[in-house]
Amino acid sequence: DGGITQSPKYLFRKEGQNVTLSCEQNLNHDAMYWYRQDPGQGLRLIYYSQIVNDFQKGDIAEGYSVSREKKESFPLTVTSAQKNPTAFYLCASSGLAGSYNEQFFGPGTRLTVL
Amino acid sequence: GQNIDQPTEMTATEGAIVQINCTYQTSGFNGLFWYQQHAGEAPTFLSYNVLDGLEEKGRFSSFLSRSKGYSYLLLKELQMKDSASYLCAVMDSNYQLIWGAGTKLIIKP
Repeated sequence: DGGITQSPKYLFRKEGQNVTLSCEQNLNHDAMYWYRQDPGQGLRLIYYSQIVNDFQKGDIAEGYSVSREKKESFPLTVTSAQKNPTAFYLCASSGLAGSYNEQFFGPGTRLTVL
Repeated sequence: GQNIDQPTEMTATEGAIVQINCTYQTSGFNGLFWYQQHAGEAPTFLSYNVLDGLEEKGRFSSFLSRSKGYSYLLLKELQMKDSASYLCAVMDSNYQLIWGAGTKLIIKP
């Protein structure tokens, strides 16, 4: 079955620790995205990538980093510089950006920083 | 700035009809999406409008007026499983999605 997987579903970390969230897709999509969702707010774009080895900052990139070494994978690292990292993180993918393409979402990772 | 407005919460009765409105102001327009999101889950695609008018898909319909910066999602014959948040998103001139905060729909028996 084609789709997007994110792991883990729930993640707990101590303040000051870096943590990496996994995102894998087997839809052969070129574009991948990371969003953050907080209660009562819309999805906010952290980073996106339109092609392997290239990625762009979104609206709230500070305190986060990504890599895109393979088409299928787009991991997100939440660094200790992110001041309020507790949130629901969603990964998405779509066909080539620059045209109409609906985004398909993974199940999300809920990160709690203690 | 770019802005998407939706009501925060709506309540409706099982079997009834509900209309969820979305107004937008964005830098350019390349289409409007509606997604459904159940609590704690991923959003799932419902509809896409790029031309004015009504798109019908089963119990769900979506309407767009580009001149008014306005869309609505119409849900008919409501079922308890329709209790969810409904997200409106506009694709701007850079083909990036700008998301509304979502409308939480509560269905009562």
